[in-house]
Amino acid sequence: DGGITQSPKYLFRKEGQNVTLSCEQNLNHDAMYWYRQDPGQGLRLIYYSQIVNDFQKGDIAEGYSVSREKKESFPLTVTSAQKNPTAFYLCASSMARLNTEAFFGQGTRLTVV
Amino acid sequence: GNSVTQMEGPVTLSEEAFLTINCTYTATGYPSLFWYVQYPGEGLQLLLKATKADDKGSNKGFEATYRKETTSFHLEKGSVQVSDSAVYFCALSDRGGATNKLIFGTGTLLAVQP
Repeated sequence: DGGITQSPKYLFRKEGQNVTLSCEQNLNHDAMYWYRQDPGQGLRLIYYSQIVNDFQKGDIAEGYSVSREKKESFPLTVTSAQKNPTAFYLCASSMARLNTEAFFGQGTRLTVV
Repeated sequence: GNSVTQMEGPVTLSEEAFLTINCTYTATGYPSLFWYVQYPGEGLQLLLKATKADDKGSNKGFEATYRKETTSFHLEKGSVQVSDSAVYFCALSDRGGATNKLIFGTGTLLAVQP
């Protein structure tokens, strides 16, 4: 079945550590996105990529990094510079043309311990 | 910039009641509009969409009409079920250049009681 797979579902991080969240899609979509979800704040865009080897910062990119070496994969690294990383992280993908909807993964819940 | 405003929740209804969740937007140009649904602990699923003024999106008994004159995209359902309990997000496509980023409202929690 086609879709987006995020792993792990739950992730615990000690303060000062970097962690990487995985996102893989087999929908043949060119565009991929990372959103952060906090209670009462909706979804905020962290990074997005329209094509392999290219990505742009979203609204809250500080403390995060991404790579797009393959069309199918768009991993997100939460670095120690992110001061408040505890959140629910959602990966999405879409076709690159306008007016198309995004498809979401099941999310990764990151907790700093 | 572009933005989406949703009515605050939670919205609590009895089974078979009529549902309306208000959504208004601010945007330049002609964005596409979406409603997504999120069940506890899961990602978002597309519920319905509309790509131009006066379009009506519909799915699973839910409907929303793209009203350009009132910049609104209210979600309605004639008879809700317990299984409709979830968080509902209104979103618009932000056509910054050639991208297709989505801008979301803050979400509205719907709780349906038997």
